[in-house]
Amino acid sequence: GQNIDQPTEMTATEGAIVQINCTYQTSGFNGLFWYQQHAGEAPTFLSYNVLDGLEEKGRFSSFLSRSKGYSYLLLKELQMKDSASYLCAVSKGQAGTALIFGKGTTLSVSS
Amino acid sequence: GAVVSQHPSWVICKSGTSVKIECRSLDFQATTMFWYRQFPKQSLMLMATSNEGSKATYEQGVEKDKFLINHASLTLSTLTVTSAHPEDSSFYICSAGREVRTDTQYFGPGTRLTVL
Repeated sequence: GQNIDQPTEMTATEGAIVQINCTYQTSGFNGLFWYQQHAGEAPTFLSYNVLDGLEEKGRFSSFLSRSKGYSYLLLKELQMKDSASYLCAVSKGQAGTALIFGKGTTLSVSS
Repeated sequence: GAVVSQHPSWVICKSGTSVKIECRSLDFQATTMFWYRQFPKQSLMLMATSNEGSKATYEQGVEKDKFLINHASLTLSTLTVTSAHPEDSSFYICSAGREVRTDTQYFGPGTRLTVL
């Protein structure tokens, strides 16, 4: 079977750093994605990891360990607008294959 | 980034009617598009994979006769919810991929369906 786990909710304050973890067990693997979704809106692409290691993109970084089936999304210098749901998704196959999504982590940033 | 549009953005209909939702890739061609459904406070659940020029592939538990998918061109896929009922009320989102190497998918803005 396939399983993607991430915490349901997290809270943090402005300016802080938060790490959202994701563990996965899938029958195939062709990369891990992180998406941000604000309430009532569609997800927007944040990052893609297919090799082990850290990918940095501005305030957001994403890490992958394929041997551990583990990824995290790191958000630095948190802003109020970062309050959203963060979705971890795994691609199992070649391009053209649908993604399998975790249930999402709702992040609340307070002042 | 790639742009994917959906129309309508929201629709309210009576029980028993049919509703068509369009998904368009505006600046790229998409051989494959995906339709997801999202209930409140839930994650995205894949409904079907829409393939241009061929029949859609439906996920287990999704009724293909109720959710009709037509991928008429490389830039347009439509989802028709037939004989809609209140339990079909949900947020329907399509996505399309443009990269060959990766599966990065770009999502449309979603369609909020409310069935009375």
